[in-house]
Amino acid sequence: DIVMTQSPATLSVSPGERATLSCRASQRVNYNLAWFQQKPGQPPRLLIYRTSTRATGIPARFSASGSGTEFTLTISSLQSDDFAVYFCLQYDNLPPWTFGQGTKVEIK
Amino acid sequence: EEQLMESGGGLVQPGGSLRLSCAASGFTFSGFWMHWVRQAPGKGPVWVSRINYDGSNTTYADSVKGRFTISRDNAKNTVYLQMNSLRVEDTAIYYCTRDRSTPFDIWGQGTTVTVSS
Repeated sequence: DIVMTQSPATLSVSPGERATLSCRASQRVNYNLAWFQQKPGQPPRLLIYRTSTRATGIPARFSASGSGTEFTLTISSLQSDDFAVYFCLQYDNLPPWTFGQGTKVEIK
Repeated sequence: EEQLMESGGGLVQPGGSLRLSCAASGFTFSGFWMHWVRQAPGKGPVWVSRINYDGSNTTYADSVKGRFTISRDNAKNTVYLQMNSLRVEDTAIYYCTRDRSTPFDIWGQGTTVTVSS
């Protein structure tokens, strides 16, 4: 099974600053990598799929890149609504579909 | 509006059974694979099971293989998860989500399963 490792576990950022989150796969996942945002009491929300394609309704301040085993999600200018937990998901080598353990973005 | 709504969760003793349901609306249900994903308190999501368009092919996480069964009724726009021989470690919120060219783009609000004596 592919193991997804996210770093850092917690990221403290001030509103308006840039946040960069990382996700590493234990094997190549080609470009089949997605990012989700989750707030307390809510289900995950798809932000990015196919490594860099924003899902419907996702603002342009969210961008993502990567290839092979290394992937990055960038939030260009953090807004109050962006403080949440972010998960990556690989959907290349299946089954199983595997999520990372998450990065919590908190207010500095 | 495209929606998924889970139901059927509850408190059950170890070794017991539950059947979860997920009702879809607002989209062509038969055009999507469907998945169950669970999330234990304070943990990341974990994929549980997947069913293809017509129910002819299913896959399971190793942790639930032989105990859980996924099925669907396209006439009722509903996917099910039959959970038998439940263990304490199955305690989680269970979500259903859909999959086609865009993976996991819509999720239900989840249903809580608690396995405890």
